[in-house]
Amino acid sequence: EVQLVESGGGLVKPGGSLRLSCAASGFTFSKAWMSWVRQAPGKGLEWIGRIRSKSDGGTTDYAAPVKGRFTISRDDSKNTLYLQMNSLKTEDTALYYCTTERERGFRGYSFDYWGQGTLVTVSS
Amino acid sequence: DIQMTQSPSSLSASVGDRVTITCRASQSISSYLNWYQQKAGKAPKLLIYAASSLQSGVPSTFSGSGSGTDFTLTISSLQPEDFATYYCQQSYSTPYTFGQGTKLEIK
Repeated sequence: EVQLVESGGGLVKPGGSLRLSCAASGFTFSKAWMSWVRQAPGKGLEWIGRIRSKSDGGTTDYAAPVKGRFTISRDDSKNTLYLQMNSLKTEDTALYYCTTERERGFRGYSFDYWGQGTLVTVSS
Repeated sequence: DIQMTQSPSSLSASVGDRVTITCRASQSISSYLNWYQQKAGKAPKLLIYAASSLQSGVPSTFSGSGSGTDFTLTISSLQPEDFATYYCQQSYSTPYTFGQGTKLEIK
């Protein structure tokens, strides 16, 4: 059974930093592309970035609102995905989900499995 | 960035009804369109990928269609467990973007 368990959320002041973790099990994590998606309270879903598998280069892509402030990384030896968040703003307050990003051949990608999310609150 | 617009934003329907939700992309995205269901307090769940392919384990009452810029999600006969919020999402190019959501409520 695939499991994704996020942790590390909490209350942080504007300008502060936080590191989220996502522990994965039930699949070959090292081969997986992984994404982070967030959801502000009462709002919709927002993709914030992804990391490819090391065999596909291990490179990252980010959405504009977080580029330069957030960093996605992975430790395949620990089956863990990370999201380092710096220079946090009040608008970063959200529930942060990690997801698996599955390639569908020539038919795009889909977020097949999701964690339960970890809440980040940025407030003074 | 590709903008995704869903309609309606909310919808009231009864058990047994046939329901259709529409998603429009700001540019052609071929069939690179996914649909998710999110129940209150839960993570989203993939229903349909590549516009019309049913994810494993999803009831056949759900179906998707469309290509280019216009897409639909249809629930052929609403069940009590289908009342939730539905999101479309394009995977044509990053940044991946979602529609604003359609909240399906019980009439």
